[in-house]
Amino acid sequence: GEDVEQSLFLSVREGDSSVINCTYTDSSSTYLYWYKQEPGAGLQLLTYIFSNMDMKQDQRLTVLLNKKDKHLSLRIADTQTGDSAIYFCAEWDNDMRFGAGTRLTVKP
Amino acid sequence: DVKVTQSSRYLVKRTGEKVFLECVQDMDHENMFWYRQDPGLGLRLIYFSYDVKMKEKGDIPEGYSVSREKKERFSLILESASTNQTSMYLCASSLVGVYNEQFFGPGTRLTVL
Repeated sequence: GEDVEQSLFLSVREGDSSVINCTYTDSSSTYLYWYKQEPGAGLQLLTYIFSNMDMKQDQRLTVLLNKKDKHLSLRIADTQTGDSAIYFCAEWDNDMRFGAGTRLTVKP
Repeated sequence: DVKVTQSSRYLVKRTGEKVFLECVQDMDHENMFWYRQDPGLGLRLIYFSYDVKMKEKGDIPEGYSVSREKKERFSLILESASTNQTSMYLCASSLVGVYNEQFFGPGTRLTVL
């Protein structure tokens, strides 16, 4: 089947930028997503990007899409301790496929 | 706000027991999903349903069945629980279209002894 891959851990200091990377294999994906899961909670949609876009900015979040390389990234500017969570990359093409999740730890 | 609720946050069952996990959504969503979440494996789709009484197998349906008798309720059934079904189970719902955002419940952590 198609795979969505992302690194499992990322650790940054408070105030730094975080960049979480994801690669996917299905070139026909129409939407790509970033979900956030805080401890003890379900997943919440953080942001999404349509496949014909290459960048989307939403306050501290910047999503970059390189469709040629099938690479998606999420940049969080001025990372705060409240950003500590697991971040899931997902793609949609008839069904939703999730990556394994990147656990972001923010150190004070 | 869309609300997806799951019947239990924590559940402990014994091997061989029949287990029911219930999920209810209050926004009239057509689509409902059951995932299991395991460390390092992310979310894996067990079953989904796009309408009442309709169901489709996901990536890992073995050992599970589902029931959708009403639009708002989607049940996951473990006919005979096994220890390898110890996991976090997440329910989600979505509308058709509307960039397919899925709304998730808080999860049920199931332990099978």
